[in-house]
Amino acid sequence: SAVISQKPSRDICQRGTSLTIQCQVDSQVTMMFWYRQQPGQSLTLIATANQGSEATYESGFVIDKFPISRPNLTFSTLTVSNMSPEDSSIYLCSVRDNINQPQHFGDGTRLSIL
Amino acid sequence: DQQVKQNSPSLSVQEGRISILNCDYTNSMFDYFLWYKKYPAEGPTFLISISSIKDKNEDGRFTVFLNKSAKHLSLHIVPSQPGDSAVYFCAASQYSGAGSYQLTFGKGTKLSVIP
Repeated sequence: SAVISQKPSRDICQRGTSLTIQCQVDSQVTMMFWYRQQPGQSLTLIATANQGSEATYESGFVIDKFPISRPNLTFSTLTVSNMSPEDSSIYLCSVRDNINQPQHFGDGTRLSIL
Repeated sequence: DQQVKQNSPSLSVQEGRISILNCDYTNSMFDYFLWYKKYPAEGPTFLISISSIKDKNEDGRFTVFLNKSAKHLSLHIVPSQPGDSAVYFCAASQYSGAGSYQLTFGKGTKLSVIP
């Protein structure tokens, strides 16, 4: 399966600031996704990162808050903008090469906002 | 509304015995089910899956059972080992258009295997 590297692995940020999380895959993949796991909760899909076009956001998530880039088939970024303590979560990058294969996840970025 | 439910937040099992993790779902459109294992500070790792056209899939010590009429699936681990101690997530997949399948996750069950 693809090796997924996420940076940073963790960060502590001040409220009102923004942080960009990077996801690098060691091979070209068709689909890339960004998830959030709030404390004690399940993994929730934020958006599907589309190569060369705007990401597809799930209900409750908007581009102004979570801008996403995907310039090629191996790299994507998620920015958490204007952070508040409610944004404290683990953010995970996930990839899937085709619909017959399971999704694989990076190790996540543990984000704490003070 | 939670479409995938794992009603047991935690489970403790003696080493060598069977671990049974349960998952219920409400959406009859789900057609593919997966189990992921997650260690602290790591991302979820794919463990085993099952298509809705099957009722059982086995891979070594891991077996997943699907009961479509009850909208219930379970993961059996036999024999359980201390290294199996982790959080296990149940996930269900359905076609969401444009060639994309969306995963819906449960909240997870923390399994502790006691030596």
